[in-house]
Amino acid sequence: QKEVEQDPGPLSVPEGAIVSLNCTYSNSAFQYFMWYRQYSRKGPELLMYTYSSGNKEDGRFTAQVDKSSKYISLFIRDSQPSDSATYLCAMSLTGANSKLTFGKGITLSVRP
Amino acid sequence: GAGVSQSPRYKVAKRGQDVALRCDPISGHVSLFWYQQALGQGPEFLTYFQNEAQLDKSGLPSDRFFAERPEGSVSTLKIQRTQQEDSAVYLCASSPDRGSNQPQHFGDGTRLSIL
Repeated sequence: QKEVEQDPGPLSVPEGAIVSLNCTYSNSAFQYFMWYRQYSRKGPELLMYTYSSGNKEDGRFTAQVDKSSKYISLFIRDSQPSDSATYLCAMSLTGANSKLTFGKGITLSVRP
Repeated sequence: GAGVSQSPRYKVAKRGQDVALRCDPISGHVSLFWYQQALGQGPEFLTYFQNEAQLDKSGLPSDRFFAERPEGSVSTLKIQRTQQEDSAVYLCASSPDRGSNQPQHFGDGTRLSIL
């Protein structure tokens, strides 16, 4: 079993839908949680970064961390076709600039 | 440009050949990471440098993999006697300073295909 499990995809939604992406993890020592977006043939780009449990909102994106359940989520409101990409959860023991452990990624397609 | 630059973007090699992949981090970034991303998978950590010191190489899959960063800027990942299972995208990331907790910035990767 991998340290970080991500919901399998792909996922297809109509434009304007609310999207929920989820990851679970097994190592309770993870403290820093990130969501990256990766377009085809591009490198991952950081979307959201949170420390420990709680919520963080940035525009149409909300990240949630529940350390007691070892569960993290990314919500995308009013989804747009430009949101079509692969979304990767990542986490680390000691910080965003330390070794990252990634989920498998889920490919999202937003239909116009 | 101001981002992490990797070259070549694409590399095709025959099984058994040696390859070298280059990473130019963002100027002034102290930390440099290499990850391997197999098709349909998330990136997996290979190795980490702080300046020229290789502080963690726990993710290198075998002794055929070797990385260096001799002057603390450009890094090279070398794979000797390549095997088909080495086919993947190799991503490089850099960040300003381990203590600053700034996130990693990724390059677009080198797509390696072993025939």
